[in-house]
Amino acid sequence: VQLVESGGGLVQPGGSLRLSCAASGFTITSDHMSWVRQAPGKGLEWVSVIYDGAITQYSDSVKGRFSISRDSSKNTLYLQMNSLRAADTAVYFCARSGYGVWAFDHWGQGTLVTVSA
Amino acid sequence: EIVMTQSPATLSVSPGERATLSCRASQSVSSDLAWYQQKPGQAPRVLMYSASTRATGIPVRFSGSGSGTDFTLTISSLQSEDSAHYYCQQYNNWPFTFGPGTKVDIK
Repeated sequence: VQLVESGGGLVQPGGSLRLSCAASGFTITSDHMSWVRQAPGKGLEWVSVIYDGAITQYSDSVKGRFSISRDSSKNTLYLQMNSLRAADTAVYFCARSGYGVWAFDHWGQGTLVTVSA
Repeated sequence: EIVMTQSPATLSVSPGERATLSCRASQSVSSDLAWYQQKPGQAPRVLMYSASTRATGIPVRFSGSGSGTDFTLTISSLQSEDSAHYYCQQYNNWPFTFGPGTKVDIK
């Protein structure tokens, strides 16, 4: 199992960015997939999950601005981030839930998103 | 939202000694709790899930206990490679929430 994120970078406040998480070793549509972020020097914050096909959940801090999706043909998870704020600056990890529970058994290496003018 | 708290914020332990980390939930999460270890510049790694089940490949010196609102992660004999941040996470209710973490230092 491997997860590789991409798409991070520097974006201005109010801008948009789409993160990707390419999966290998398993079928991304068969498992619950989440995004978790970590602001510089801070702890972990769960952002969003997609499961059971296309059911999604979001943290209140990103609801209405971020959208999670996945593409079975590319075996890739996405996070579309709109109306970005300075507070969204963080390393974004994709993670798979495993062991038949919601705990995250595999993580990507993360991609840094910096929101700044 | 379920608020997770962890104590202590920092723990300094000598090699070979026991380390005990605590995690508390603001309401019951049953046994829907995981522990993660994170070293600088790395992604988190799951240690325990369902409060007390060791994840694949995790050394037996790591153990978890608790249910409801109070949980403990114990490292029975601390090794130098255990220096890291440790986070608990509940997955009983949306949104999933993490504790603020405990930093374990080696004396």
